[in-house]
Amino acid sequence: GAVVSQHPSRVICKSGTSVKIECRSLDFQATTMFWYRQFPKKSLMLMATSNEGSKATYEQGVEKDKFLINHASLTLSTLTVTSAHPEDSSFYICSARAPTGQGVTPLHFGNGTRLTVT
Amino acid sequence: GEDVEQSLFLSVREGDSSVINCTYTDSSSTYLYWYKQEPGAGLQLLTYIFSNMDMKQDQRLTVLLNKKDKHLSLRIADTQTGDSAIYFCAESISGGSYIPTFGRGTSLIVHP
Repeated sequence: GAVVSQHPSRVICKSGTSVKIECRSLDFQATTMFWYRQFPKKSLMLMATSNEGSKATYEQGVEKDKFLINHASLTLSTLTVTSAHPEDSSFYICSARAPTGQGVTPLHFGNGTRLTVT
Repeated sequence: GEDVEQSLFLSVREGDSSVINCTYTDSSSTYLYWYKQEPGAGLQLLTYIFSNMDMKQDQRLTVLLNKKDKHLSLRIADTQTGDSAIYFCAESISGGSYIPTFGRGTSLIVHP
């Protein structure tokens, strides 16, 4: 089946530093990937849609200069949290759609990254 | 109200059936999904149903869709302790590029 790998699974950083999270589609090419943020006891919030070879599309209220997204290849998207602050601490999950050539396919998710900013 | 609503908790005894319910608001929903999330992990797609279907069964999982009431349910037969997790209902519509909108998730607790 379609596998999405996310790295690192857990990261602790100091306030003011930047953190990069990688999302890879292991056995398929993904022209589009999606970045979600999950708050405790809350649903998943779509942050942005990452488009291979072009700029990401950010959801309303998400700061594009703070959450930098790069989708340089068909199998890799990165999310960089710049100048991280404690309120950025959260669970970040990426996802991608595996093309089957048969209509719309569901999203497949990575295992998430737990970011803690101290 | 939210687009996709679920109850937050469900507790069942091992071996019983679990039924997790979900309601959604957009009548143009095309696909409806159930995802499972174990602690500290990402979301695992369990099953999905196209809006022109009423029911889909896959081993221990049965999905029922009532389009008139905009109600989706997931039944897990013979629930096991390994089924303990958070279950997310999600809908997607063609107008939204099929990007799913998630509910808050139902925590299923299975006790012996």
